[in-house]
Amino acid sequence: AQSVTQPDIHITVSEGASLELRCNYSYGATPYLFWYVQSPGQGLQLLLKYFSGDTLVQGIKGFEAEFKRSQSSFNLRKPSVHWSDAAEYFCAVAGGGNKLTFGTGTQLKVEL
Amino acid sequence: DVKVTQSSRYLVKRTGEKVFLECVQDMDHENMFWYRQDPGLGLRLIYFSYDVKMKEKGDIPEGYSVSREKKERFSLILESASTNQTSMYLCASSSKLYTEAFFGQGTRLTVV
Repeated sequence: AQSVTQPDIHITVSEGASLELRCNYSYGATPYLFWYVQSPGQGLQLLLKYFSGDTLVQGIKGFEAEFKRSQSSFNLRKPSVHWSDAAEYFCAVAGGGNKLTFGTGTQLKVEL
Repeated sequence: DVKVTQSSRYLVKRTGEKVFLECVQDMDHENMFWYRQDPGLGLRLIYFSYDVKMKEKGDIPEGYSVSREKKERFSLILESASTNQTSMYLCASSSKLYTEAFFGQGTRLTVV
């Protein structure tokens, strides 16, 4: 069975600091991986996705993520966080059978 | 732009009522999903459908059923609503296996 673990429930960073949100997945074959963001009262928006090829993928709003097969990880990064990045971030994996599974989310707080 | 529309943003129902949550997408997507979102638990998949009249159970199908009579519409049914089904319900669609899912704005259901 496929699964996603986001070990950090809450993260606080200062505006302008770098950010890394952790995501570990479990799936027997090469997975399809996604990061979504949800701002308060809003729906989920796709930040980036990995299907194959280059293991470093670029997304919207200056985010990037790196797929590391050996570590079963797909961590999200941003070099300099803006106050507007405060939101909840979800990692997701699509494995076999059309199923899309999400992690429990990481709540990001940005201190000014 | 892809549009996924959920029929209600807020809904209050009584225990034991039969509840219908409707979702419509306008991009001819094959896949449609229903998730519930609860604090600290992330998004949990209830049911998904990969074609008209086809459905598969997700991780928490108990107490729910679904209907997909037309490609653009996917309904979630609570046969007899209970207070533990109070939650945010999110509908999503995707064009084919392993492409990103697009989400509706969510329905916040309260069962009293």
